[in-house]
This record gives sequence, structure tokens and C-alpha cells, in this order.
Amino acid sequence: DIVMTQSPDSLAVSLGERATINCRSSQSVLYSSNNKNYLAWYQQKPGQPPKLFIYWASTRESGVPDRFSGSGSGTDFTLTISSLQAEDVAVYYCQQYYPTPLITFGQGTRLEIK
Amino acid sequence: QVQLVQSGAEVKKPGSSVKVSCKASGGTFSSYTISWVRQAPGQGLEWMARIIPILDMANYAQRFQGRVTITADKSTSTAYMELSSLRSDDTAVYYCARETSSSAFDIWGQGTMVTVSS
Repeated sequence: DIVMTQSPDSLAVSLGERATINCRSSQSVLYSSNNKNYLAWYQQKPGQPPKLFIYWASTRESGVPDRFSGSGSGTDFTLTISSLQAEDVAVYYCQQYYPTPLITFGQGTRLEIK
Repeated sequence: QVQLVQSGAEVKKPGSSVKVSCKASGGTFSSYTISWVRQAPGQGLEWMARIIPILDMANYAQRFQGRVTITADKSTSTAYMELSSLRSDDTAVYYCARETSSSAFDIWGQGTMVTVSS
């Protein structure tokens, strides 16, 4: 199985500051036939299901604020929040979905306000 | 607006089985891929299996092979996840989720809490 490792496990950032979460895959998730990285990011708040924020490593889901961005390719990926807002406090997960049929998630990063 | 609505919470004895349903509304169910993801209390997300109803094809995570069965009833737009030989560490919230053409999960059910306790 592909192992996804996020860093850090938890992060405290001041309001308005930048937050950066990293995700490393044990194997490349870049699909050569379409040159797409099969990597997604989710936000999860307590008592709620996860919400898709980023897919194809850098494409924002409809309705996601543009302060959220995804980058990276191959095995190393980053989720960046350019200016942290109070409502961004949550746990964030990365997920790989290649090669199918196996899907794995990172262990999660807890984001808090400093 | 596509929605996935799951069945209610369950309390089961060790060694028994549980079957959780996930009913889709507002879209074309048979064209979806539906996955099941679980989350133990205070823990992360774990993918279990997926089904493509239009193909009647299912895939399973290796660690659940032989213990989980997922099915779909196209006539009622409902997917099912049955987990057998339950153990205490199967206590978790079980989610169904729709897999998009880009293979990320864009729509999630509300979750079903399954508690395994003697």
C-alpha cells in the first residue's frame, strides 16, 4: 500500500498568518498517462464528515475559499492557507487515490489558532 | 443536489455482523462509485472498499478482505456495507462517499456510528 505521511501532526498559527501542511507519499501518485497527481485534501470539523477542498493536488473544489491552495507533484505535496481565519480550525487530511483500487489517507494534521 | 443518507447508529456484540445502508438522492446512482471510509474515535480516516453499481464491481482494502461485503441496489439507489466478525476495534463512524471522475470524494454521508461492545 502507498503510505501517506503528513507533517506536522499539529500546528498553531496566528489569525491572518500563513499555515502550511505537508504530505509525503511513499510512492509517486503522478499518473503518467494524463500527467495528473492523484492527491486530494480534506477538511474535517468535529462531528462532521470530511469536506473535499483540493483534488488533482492543486484544483480547488467549488466553493472553497481562494486562500486555500495545493501544490506539489510526485511524492511531495503542500496545502497552504494564505491567511488563517477562525473558521479554518479543523483537522486536514491528504489522500492518494492512485493506483486504484487502493486508497490511503494521511494521519491528519490538527490546525489551531495561536 | 446529490445527497447520501445513511442508516442510524448500531450497537453490536463481538462476533456479530452489522449492515449499514447509504441511500442516494438527486442524481444517477448507478453511474457513481461509492466508497466506504471509517473513522475510529479520535482517529484518522481509513478506506475500506468501493463499489461501482453500474458494473456490479467491488474492490476491497486488503485488511478487510473476507470480512466486509459491499453491495448496491440500483432499484432503490442504495449501497450497503456489511462487516462481519465484529471486534471492539471496529467501533467507529462509518461513512459512505461518492467518488468523482477525478477519484476524490466530493459527497459524503452523515456517518453511522457502530459500537461493538459486550
